[in-house]
Amino acid sequence: KQEVTQIPAALSVPEGENLVLNCSFTDSAIYNLQWFRQDPGKGLTSLLLIQSSQREQTSGRLNASLDKSSGRSTLYIAASQPGDSATYLCAVQDSNYQLIWGAGTKLIIKP
Amino acid sequence: GAGVSQSPSNKVTEKGKDVELRCDPISGHTALYWYRQSLGQGLEFLIYFQGNSAPDKSGLPSDRFSAERTGGSVSTLTIQRTQQEDSAVYLCASSLSFGASGANVLTFGAGSRLTVL
Repeated sequence: KQEVTQIPAALSVPEGENLVLNCSFTDSAIYNLQWFRQDPGKGLTSLLLIQSSQREQTSGRLNASLDKSSGRSTLYIAASQPGDSATYLCAVQDSNYQLIWGAGTKLIIKP
Repeated sequence: GAGVSQSPSNKVTEKGKDVELRCDPISGHTALYWYRQSLGQGLEFLIYFQGNSAPDKSGLPSDRFSAERTGGSVSTLTIQRTQQEDSAVYLCASSLSFGASGANVLTFGAGSRLTVL
């Protein structure tokens, strides 16, 4: 059974720092991995999708990497800003095309 | 529409009552998903629709939960005889198609927060 774990559960850093969020999964048979952000009282917003054949994807200050063989992904946020404060969720699409979710990392960027 | 719309945004009900949650997906999106998110937990898959068909209902927590989708558009999630453990945020998402491709990127609604007293 696919399980997705995100570490840390919460992270607080000063504005301007670069940071890394971690996601690990137990079964390497995935189609893709996606990173989302969730703001309080709002739905989830898709940030990046990495296909299983890809190693990384970039969007602005965000860079997501995927190492399928070791079951790991990282989301790198450069030059963090207070507006980056949110909960970040990763999800893998398994062999049944279902998305399996981590519990998220709550990120706080202090001005 | 421009995004995924869910209603009501907030629902408080008494234990034992039935509730209906509505999801209006992005026009043209054939795949529609329902998830549940309890406080401090990850998303729990409930059900998905490909068109009006729900191939996988295994995520529904009990037979008190049902969902339907008509006209390949609006979907309704119904919870009968609500229990306190049903309290959660119910999220709906849609995507262009279902499968392993970039078209599977999900767009989420803002959710319906259900509180069962």
